[in-house]
Amino acid sequence: DAMVIQNPRYQVTQFGKPVTLSCSQTLNHNVMYWYQQKSSQAPKLLFHYYDKDFNNEADTPDNFQSRRPNTSFCFLDIRSPGLGDAAMYLCAISERDHMMNEQFFGPGTRLTVL
Amino acid sequence: AQKITQTQPGMFVQEKEAVTLDCTYDTSDQSYGLFWYKQPSSGEMIFLIYQGSYDEQNATEGRYSLNFQKARKSANLVISASQLGDSAMYFCAMREGGETSGSRLTFGEGTQLTVNP
Repeated sequence: DAMVIQNPRYQVTQFGKPVTLSCSQTLNHNVMYWYQQKSSQAPKLLFHYYDKDFNNEADTPDNFQSRRPNTSFCFLDIRSPGLGDAAMYLCAISERDHMMNEQFFGPGTRLTVL
Repeated sequence: AQKITQTQPGMFVQEKEAVTLDCTYDTSDQSYGLFWYKQPSSGEMIFLIYQGSYDEQNATEGRYSLNFQKARKSANLVISASQLGDSAMYFCAMREGGETSGSRLTFGEGTQLTVNP
């Protein structure tokens, strides 16, 4: 059974039209992460939640925001998508934010910006 | 400076043979964790194996083993008896530090492995 579920798997949006990507988990892990992965590149961490504490990476654009209304769900909001935001967006979970804890990833949402 | 370096953009191996994917890392921390992930063309990142900096034994998980050489700061992944389904992108990653908010997972650039029949 999937531990991390991402919806939708494929999302097409128009330039400048807000879009929300969804992630849910079945394990009640404390930490949820959002990564952006552009073609042929390594995943890049955008931000993460440790419980309700939000941690933004220094170089994450203001265009990207996140919400975690409860333990199970986390959303990525892109306020005004640009062509450069087309990428795979990966959600991951971890029991704790510790060096020993592996991160389990969802299948990703592939975002296309027209 | 790159924290994780994977020097092989692409690797080819014959089915049933073993293959080693290279990974070197850079950290001044004494405590860190090293991870390998597999990413098929479908996009999902699949956790394969973990090695802690204080672990004296090399980690093994089925056909996967991690050749950990701490002094050289290398953590190579060995896949034994390659299968066609092993064809994928492989990422080496590291988490530094203890239990603090923000022990982020830093990825290398990946190695694309192709298993030939």
